[in-house]
Amino acid sequence: DAGITQSPRHKVTETGTPVTLRCHQTENHRYMYWYRQDPGHGLRLIHYSYGVKDTDKGEVSDGYSVSRSKTEDFLLTLESATSSQTSVYFCALGGDSGNTIYFGEGSWLTVV
Amino acid sequence: GQQVMQIPQYQHVQEGEDFTTYCNSSTTLSNIQWYKQRPGGHPVFLIQLVKSGEVKKQKRLTFQFGEAKKNSSLHITATQTTDVGTYFCAGPEDSSYKLIFGSGTRLLVRP
Repeated sequence: DAGITQSPRHKVTETGTPVTLRCHQTENHRYMYWYRQDPGHGLRLIHYSYGVKDTDKGEVSDGYSVSRSKTEDFLLTLESATSSQTSVYFCALGGDSGNTIYFGEGSWLTVV
Repeated sequence: GQQVMQIPQYQHVQEGEDFTTYCNSSTTLSNIQWYKQRPGGHPVFLIQLVKSGEVKKQKRLTFQFGEAKKNSSLHITATQTTDVGTYFCAGPEDSSYKLIFGSGTRLLVRP
């Protein structure tokens, strides 16, 4: 698609452990996003970045932190995973023109 | 904050029937976008509407943007099994680059 790679694609972790999801792009897009998708809630924005070291909160940012130390990587960290953070996480790129965004293939996270 | 509502939540149709999903925003939008997500897949961009009253077509899909730029619709004529998936509308929050998504309409098509 748009040169987006998410890792890991699937992960099972225990409650209370830290988890980091990585989003890597090869398109040099300025804007990067992390969404989570849950049944009945659609896609909800967690955090987004508008440049290196420039990030902002989305609708559901509690319990999550992000970092963007270089253009191509946007990391999402769950400091202490909880069962309510079991979800599918999508990274997305875009916003340079008309706000159109391109999604990665998703990371399935299960917190037990 | 801005809210984007989408109805219906589910629609189950017989192949060949038409399908429509509606999107309503609590605020005026600078543009609206539509995405399709196949089961098990990721959302894929379909189209963007920018102008008040704009209508765009992609084969059997017709997209409309309301005159007040607060609502939109996606109409599929003569559905096919390949149309199965969830359709999302999305609009930028306060003309920013934060895209707010509707909750989606899941389309199921009986062959």
